[in-house]
Amino acid sequence: DPKIIQKPKYLVAVTGSEKILICEQYLGHNAMYWYRQSAKKPLEFMFSYSYQKLMDNQTASSRFQPQSSKKNHLDLQITALKPDDSATYFCASSQEAWGSQNTLYFGAGTRLSVL
Amino acid sequence: GDSVTQTEGLVTVTEGLPVKLNCTYQTTYLTIAFFWYVQYLNEAPQVLLKSSTDNKRTEHQGFHATLHKSSSSFHLQKSSAQLSDSALYYCALRGGTGNTGKLIFGLGTTLQVQP
Repeated sequence: DPKIIQKPKYLVAVTGSEKILICEQYLGHNAMYWYRQSAKKPLEFMFSYSYQKLMDNQTASSRFQPQSSKKNHLDLQITALKPDDSATYFCASSQEAWGSQNTLYFGAGTRLSVL
Repeated sequence: GDSVTQTEGLVTVTEGLPVKLNCTYQTTYLTIAFFWYVQYLNEAPQVLLKSSTDNKRTEHQGFHATLHKSSSSFHLQKSSAQLSDSALYYCALRGGTGNTGKLIFGLGTTLQVQP
């Protein structure tokens, strides 16, 4: 059974709309992350949370807002969607955020298409 | 800035023959760890290998890699490729103290093993 659940698996949205990507992890980890993968680009770090607090934000746009209602949840709200937002969004978690040895575990991703 | 460079695109190898996927990096971090992730079709990326020790061979599931800081490399190798090894492989770098969980990924290399 997957330990990191992302919903939905696929999402189609119209330009200008708002969507929420859901992520829940059942690994007992204290840190959670969002990464994005666009065509022809590497997996790109977006946010990291540790104990439900924002640790790092590498996303320039305020249209992307993570939301952590519980320790094992980190949803991603995207407003005013643009076609350039089309990508696969991966949620990940690790035992702790710090320390180079902490391994990140990934969910299967949500593939977002903005028309 | 920090970056990871991988063998680009598609690597095709015949079953039973050796395979090598290249990974080099540039970083300003003093303490680093490296990861190889494998992503099978429609699944989550999962960690295959990790290392932070210079010149020490790391092995898992028949794959091995050695971090060479002198040449800034962490190539992935296997002596005998299997059909089930066909997947997308990512090399990733993570900084040490103070790092907030950010992994820097390469573009990924697709390995296709042919009968």
